[in-house]
Amino acid sequence: SQELEQSPQSLIVQEGKNLTINCTSSKTLYGLYWYKQKYGEGLIFLMMLQKGGEEKSHEKITAKLDEKKQQSSLHITASQPSHAGIYLCGAGYFYSGGGADGLTFGKGTHLIIQP
Amino acid sequence: DTEVTQTPKHLVMGMTNKKSLKCEQHMGHRAMYWYKQKAKKPPELMFVYSYEKLSINESVPSRFSPECPNSSLLNLHLHALQPEDSALYLCASSPANVYGYTFGSGTRLTVV
Repeated sequence: SQELEQSPQSLIVQEGKNLTINCTSSKTLYGLYWYKQKYGEGLIFLMMLQKGGEEKSHEKITAKLDEKKQQSSLHITASQPSHAGIYLCGAGYFYSGGGADGLTFGKGTHLIIQP
Repeated sequence: DTEVTQTPKHLVMGMTNKKSLKCEQHMGHRAMYWYKQKAKKPPELMFVYSYEKLSINESVPSRFSPECPNSSLLNLHLHALQPEDSALYLCASSPANVYGYTFGSGTRLTVV
């Protein structure tokens, strides 16, 4: 089974509406990254979370890490066309201070914003 | 400099060709990574170098050969690739013992 489950796989939202994307790990997380990607392009870093209960915001995007559930959520408020793209969560499972072990990615969420 | 630079951005190669992808960073990061991303799939880890030594090889076929000549440079040598190897190849770097990945913009590889 997949170590990192991301949901939903696709999301169509009317412009101005709020939305949430979830990422759940089957193993203990030591670092959780959120990235945005336009098709065929590189990864755009959004946020990194490391501590349980941690919450970070950037413009209209907020991410939280729930340590008990080993889950992170990404919430977009008042969505805009510029938010459209593929959102990927990436998990680090290496403890000793950090990670030269690479990230395991969820399958991604394809977000479409309808005008 | 807070970037990871990948060259070339696009590459088309025949199945008998030999080519190389290059990745460079000047952030003092001591860990560097290669990922492969097929269309509509998430990136998959291929190799990890830590302090210029190969520490992880995710069972990648030998037609992909990584090299880390120094702490700033990572290469991926390609030889006798197959059309199914066509993908976006992403390089990343991080401090070796602290979370803080930086990704490059990728090389779009097409094997014909």
